[in-house]
Amino acid sequence: QVQLQESGPGLVKPSQTLSLTCTVSGGSISSGSYYWSWVRQPAGKGLEWIGRVYGSGNTNYNSSLKSRVTISIDTSKNQFSLKLNSVTAADTAVYYCARVVWQSRHFDYWGQGTLVTVSS
Amino acid sequence: EIVLTQSPGTLSLSPGERATLSCRASQSVSGSYLAWYQQKPGQAPRLLIYGASTRATGIPDRFSGSGSGTDFTLTISRLEPEDFAVYYCQQYGSSPTFGPGTKVDIK
Repeated sequence: QVQLQESGPGLVKPSQTLSLTCTVSGGSISSGSYYWSWVRQPAGKGLEWIGRVYGSGNTNYNSSLKSRVTISIDTSKNQFSLKLNSVTAADTAVYYCARVVWQSRHFDYWGQGTLVTVSS
Repeated sequence: EIVLTQSPGTLSLSPGERATLSCRASQSVSGSYLAWYQQKPGQAPRLLIYGASTRATGIPDRFSGSGSGTDFTLTISRLEPEDFAVYYCQQYGSSPTFGPGTKVDIK
């Protein structure tokens, strides 16, 4: 059974960098059948895709966040990470990591989510 | 970017009733790349349907998906108490997007 677990600080100051890591267990992050994404959800609102990383390290980002986002992968640790810089209160949200099935492009496994609050 | 619109915003029904949820896309979506998720408070989204009509592993057969092009539907044939939740559609063209969600609540 594949499991994903987010980790990282729950509180980030404005203008600083939000950093989260997703640890994958029960399957290899290097598998070519999947890629790995971050999705966020502000309180009471809908889901916003942030970006994705392939096992090769190639990435794609939401155009609205592209200038501030970096997603990377560490296959030796079976982890992938998110960095979002220059954060504001608008970046306060629950952040989810998720696995995407390459063939049909759906998110089949999700982490439990972690709340990140941007506040001084 | 493909924009997804879901209707209604809220659906108030009783257990045992049929729920019909709509998802409309601003441009044609490959049927293979349309999925539905259920989300309960404090939980991550749960995959229900992918490829517009294929149930994910472990999903009861009261859930069904249909549609193509720009119009897709999620149907719950007989609502169980655990089905009251928010439902999102999602497309994955060049960049994935989610609809705003339909809340199914108890009448």
